[in-house]
Amino acid sequence: NAGVTQTPKFQVLKTGQSMTLQCAQDMNHNSMYWYRQDPGMGLRLIYYSASEGTTDKGEVPNGYNVSRLNKREFSLRLESAAPSQTSVYFCASSEGGGIGNQPQHFGDGTRLSIL
Amino acid sequence: DQQVKQNSPSLSVQEGRISILNCDYTNSMFDYFLWYKKYPAEGPTFLISISSIKDKNEDGRFTVFLNKSAKHLSLHIVPSQPGDSAVYFCAALETDSWGKLQFGAGTQVVVTP
Repeated sequence: NAGVTQTPKFQVLKTGQSMTLQCAQDMNHNSMYWYRQDPGMGLRLIYYSASEGTTDKGEVPNGYNVSRLNKREFSLRLESAAPSQTSVYFCASSEGGGIGNQPQHFGDGTRLSIL
Repeated sequence: DQQVKQNSPSLSVQEGRISILNCDYTNSMFDYFLWYKKYPAEGPTFLISISSIKDKNEDGRFTVFLNKSAKHLSLHIVPSQPGDSAVYFCAALETDSWGKLQFGAGTQVVVTP
């Protein structure tokens, strides 16, 4: 009963390095999301994919790219990491837009530190 | 510009008593509201939601109240239990915005014996 799986759980990068965060869901959901959470703030949407083959920007997309590899997998890439991208990253999925009986389900996060 | 605000960063309550968590929003286009609960080192888990056409939704020990005119909602937990100790996030959504949840900063709840 995995739900949403994120890898890795922890990562330390140096400024300028690149990295891809992986996310996979086994609930056959159409929609997937990437959020970041910073201290004292709520989760903020980086990118989302309403359905396989589509991706759209969220509230804070600068410095990130995403790929919806297939229905199950949605990756987040940092091309040139910056200290401001130090954060906890959460992937989520939902059936539809995440309302009614179809809320977003979250993974356990990737804790990313950029030195 | 934060559109969803949880002005109490923390709340301490005795076991068995009521916990009341508050949330205010500024965007009148929000028409769906959710509460998520988060334990350390885990992702948020969905708790309860309410549509703007209702003013109350209840699920076991959890009740959410919505006051649209005041742009305010609250989550009541009765009775509070030690396992309720967690961070609670209020989130809001425009149903036309396809899953673009706006989160508050969260309220840390500590339930003491």
